Amino acid sequence: ETGVTQSPTHLIKTRGQQVTLRCSSQSGHNTVSWYQQALGQGPQFIFQYYREEENGRGNFPPRFSGLQFPNYSSELNVNALELDDSALYLCASSLEFSVGEQYFGPGTRLTVT
Amino acid sequence: GIQVEQSPPDLILQEGANSTLRCNFSDSVNNLQWFHQNPWGQLINLFYIPSGTKQNGRLSATTVATERYSLLYISSSQTTDSGVYFCAVEASSNTGKLIFGQGTTLQVKP
Repeated sequence: ETGVTQSPTHLIKTRGQQVTLRCSSQSGHNTVSWYQQALGQGPQFIFQYYREEENGRGNFPPRFSGLQFPNYSSELNVNALELDDSALYLCASSLEFSVGEQYFGPGTRLTVT
Repeated sequence: GIQVEQSPPDLILQEGANSTLRCNFSDSVNNLQWFHQNPWGQLINLFYIPSGTKQNGRLSATTVATERYSLLYISSSQTTDSGVYFCAVEASSNTGKLIFGQGTTLQVKP
């Protein structure tokens, strides 16, 4: 059984640029959630995708957007990057929407300069 | 929305000591998970425990849903137990979304 994977591991971008982060869910899981973790804080929910549809969103502006593909992998896109977007971005998958545990990937560390 | 509070924020132990970490939450939950975040940022699942008691080796956890708290016990601590421990809950009113506490940073000294 393959766990949750994320790419890239690290990324450095300049303010104003756009970035795409990728996540492959654990085998058999159809729900993917994205979280942002700033330094010294707990992760904060960005949004969740269930069967290719957005299914809940946290308090993040529209420049944070996402996609889920038929194989349940997912992308997080952030436009017009700001310095405060520097964080660890975590992807989690679960077997079914709101059922059971969420399992996290290793994260992508984004630095915006 | 639901609030999650963890205590203590920081904990320093000598190797071999026992500890208890607490998580209080302000509303009814469908899901409660405990995680250990390693130095590279990976969140390791420790327990999925919306209610009841579970044990896994030196770690155990208890959630009393009616009183809105959960406890994580670490016995005979080892230096490899060091790191940040997070409690995260999914509110019954807002399913699918995990709300994290601020974490407890544990340092185990040899």
